[in-house]
Amino acid sequence: DAEITQSPRHKITETGRQVTLACHQTWNHNNMFWYRQDLGHGLRLIHYSYGVHDTNKGEVSDGYSVSRSNTEDLPLTLESAASSQTSVYFCASSVGLGADTQYFGPGTRLTVL
Amino acid sequence: AQSVAQPEDQVNVAEGNPLTVKCTYSVSGNPYLFWYVQYPNRGLQFLLKYITGDNLVKGSYGFEAEFNKSQTSFHLKKPSALVSDSALYFCAVRAGGYQKVTFGTGTKLQVIP
Repeated sequence: DAEITQSPRHKITETGRQVTLACHQTWNHNNMFWYRQDLGHGLRLIHYSYGVHDTNKGEVSDGYSVSRSNTEDLPLTLESAASSQTSVYFCASSVGLGADTQYFGPGTRLTVL
Repeated sequence: AQSVAQPEDQVNVAEGNPLTVKCTYSVSGNPYLFWYVQYPNRGLQFLLKYITGDNLVKGSYGFEAEFNKSQTSFHLKKPSALVSDSALYFCAVRAGGYQKVTFGTGTKLQVIP
């Protein structure tokens, strides 16, 4: 069955370190998204991609970057981790836009000490 | 700008009673509206969506939602709550033609045996 996976599921890192969170989908979806989930804020969009070599900033993109070299993967990099980036991160994908459903990965819980 | 409001952080309901989780939205143009559910330590799962047509939308696990254009609401309902329905519920909106989905802050549903 097609799926979307994230790794690692849990990560503890130190302030200032670079961290990369992986997202891999086998749906063959064009669109991929990264969100962070924080209490009181719901899900906020970090970056998104509509296809290979396409990336766009979301509402909370500062301190994060993504690259899309193939259809299946959209890794999220925290260039210099900060305590404010402690959160749960979700990757999602969709075949199209408009009314298309997003399919979510299981999430990565990141703690920045 | 589009927005979603879920006015209740938590809803408690007795098992077997009907449940309602409220959602209101603000968007320019015709909206696409979604409900997702999140179980502990899991990613979001799609429940149902409104695109156009019938204002009552039926979804997974016996849930339904009613689209009310005049009140800009999309409340989630279920006639008889189960303990297993206890989870975090997110409402989301996307304006027709607008690229990104905006999520509400989530409502925790607690079904009491």
